[in-house]
Amino acid sequence: DTAVSQTPKYLVTQMGNDKSIKCEQNLGHDTMYWYKQDSKKFLKIMFSYNNKELIINETVPNRFSPKSPDKAHLNLHINSLELGDSAVYFCASSQWGQGAFGYTFGSGTRLTVV
Amino acid sequence: GQQVMQIPQYQHVQEGEDFTTYCNSSTTLSNIQWYKQRPGGHPVFLIQLVKSGEVKKQKRLTFQFGEAKKNSSLHITATQTTDVGTYFCAGPRAGNMLTFGGGTRLMVKP
Repeated sequence: DTAVSQTPKYLVTQMGNDKSIKCEQNLGHDTMYWYKQDSKKFLKIMFSYNNKELIINETVPNRFSPKSPDKAHLNLHINSLELGDSAVYFCASSQWGQGAFGYTFGSGTRLTVV
Repeated sequence: GQQVMQIPQYQHVQEGEDFTTYCNSSTTLSNIQWYKQRPGGHPVFLIQLVKSGEVKKQKRLTFQFGEAKKNSSLHITATQTTDVGTYFCAGPRAGNMLTFGGGTRLMVKP
C-alpha cells in the first residue's frame, strides 16, 4: 500500500494554463505539506496544513492555492502557470509535533511548463 | 530566518571509501533529521537526533548531533554503489515544518 500518493507523476503544460496536483495519505497523519524541489535539488517549503487548517504559507505566490478537504488529502492548484514553476512538487505528511516527527514523502509530481 | 547549510554539495568517492556530510544551522535545533533521496526518487526519512552530543548508528551509517545542537554529521563507512543519492539534513521550524539543507550529492564509482 502506498503511504503518500501523488497524482499525476508527470505534468507537461503550456504557460498560462491552470493545473492541479492531488495528494492522499493513508498513514493517519494529521499534518500535510507541499514542498518544491528545483533543478538544483533544493527543497523549498510551500505550505503546511494541520487537520485541514492552513498553518504556514511560505510566501508562495497567490497563483498557488492549496486545498485540504480532509486531513488525509491535500491538493495543490496552480493558476496561470509560468516557466519558473517547472520543478518537482512533493507532498509529505507527518504527525503534528513541532517538527519532532519524520516526514513521509510522496513520489513527487514533475511539472514542466513550456 | 532559520538557515540550514550542508557541505559539501557534491562528493565523488571510489567504492569502499568513506564519506561524510556536514550540516550547520544558524539557530539551535530541538532535533535534526536526515533524509536520503535516490536519483529520480523522493526523500526518505533515515533518522532523527534529539539529544546534545547524540550518536546513532545504522549499519555503515553514523549520525552525530553536536553538543551545541547547531550542527550534525552523517558518516558512511566503506561506501557501496547502493549509497548513491542526495543526503539532506533538516531542522524543525514554525508550523511543524522542516527547513532542509541544500543536500550533499554522493556519487560512488564502482
